[in-house]
Amino acid sequence: DTAVSQTPKYLVTQMGNDKSIKCEQNLGHDTMYWYKQDSKKFLKIMFSYNNKELIINETVPNRFSPKSPDKAHLNLHINSLELGDSAVYFCASSQGPGGYYGYTFGSGTRLTVV
Amino acid sequence: AQSVTQLDSQVPVFEEAPVELRCNYSSSVSVYLFWYVQYPNQGLQLLLKYLSGSTLVESINGFEAEFNKSQTSFHLRKPSVHISDTAEYFCAVSATRGSQGNLIFGKGTKLSVKP
Repeated sequence: DTAVSQTPKYLVTQMGNDKSIKCEQNLGHDTMYWYKQDSKKFLKIMFSYNNKELIINETVPNRFSPKSPDKAHLNLHINSLELGDSAVYFCASSQGPGGYYGYTFGSGTRLTVV
Repeated sequence: AQSVTQLDSQVPVFEEAPVELRCNYSSSVSVYLFWYVQYPNQGLQLLLKYLSGSTLVESINGFEAEFNKSQTSFHLRKPSVHISDTAEYFCAVSATRGSQGNLIFGKGTKLSVKP
């Protein structure tokens, strides 16, 4: 059983399209995150939800909208995709907010915008 | 706010040689410290963490890291590396207080182990 699973693993799409990435965790964790890893491997947090409530919303374009239907799921919808959105997006979860517990990461979604 | 500096972007080393991956952090409050490893085309895996207590922490595969508060460092070491240790290693920090203490990552160090 995969602890944190993301779908799809690869996503190739044209500029201007709208796409979604889904994330599910079966660890019973309360907190979930989206991170973006750029071409230089730099990881930057985008959003965090705790028990379906948004607690971190970094400076991310409004085209990115997270949604957490329940605490086991955190999806990321991206409108009007741009070339600069190409990156690997990682979902992660932890037992609670804050770094104490460390994170469990999904295997990532490689988004390529052409 | 916290920040992390990984001083080396790439570290090439021969198999069975020792290695040290350097990490320095900046924070005005107490922190938790972590090392994560990312193998090619995979997600990040927690390697080890410092929360409190003994400043020397170890992983199950032979890595260790030492928290040095005076030098604000958390360097990762292994006395003898294997080919399979080839990966990207990320140091991360979070504040001990505050419910939004998300992990702040360094830019990573690519460890290449050569035969």
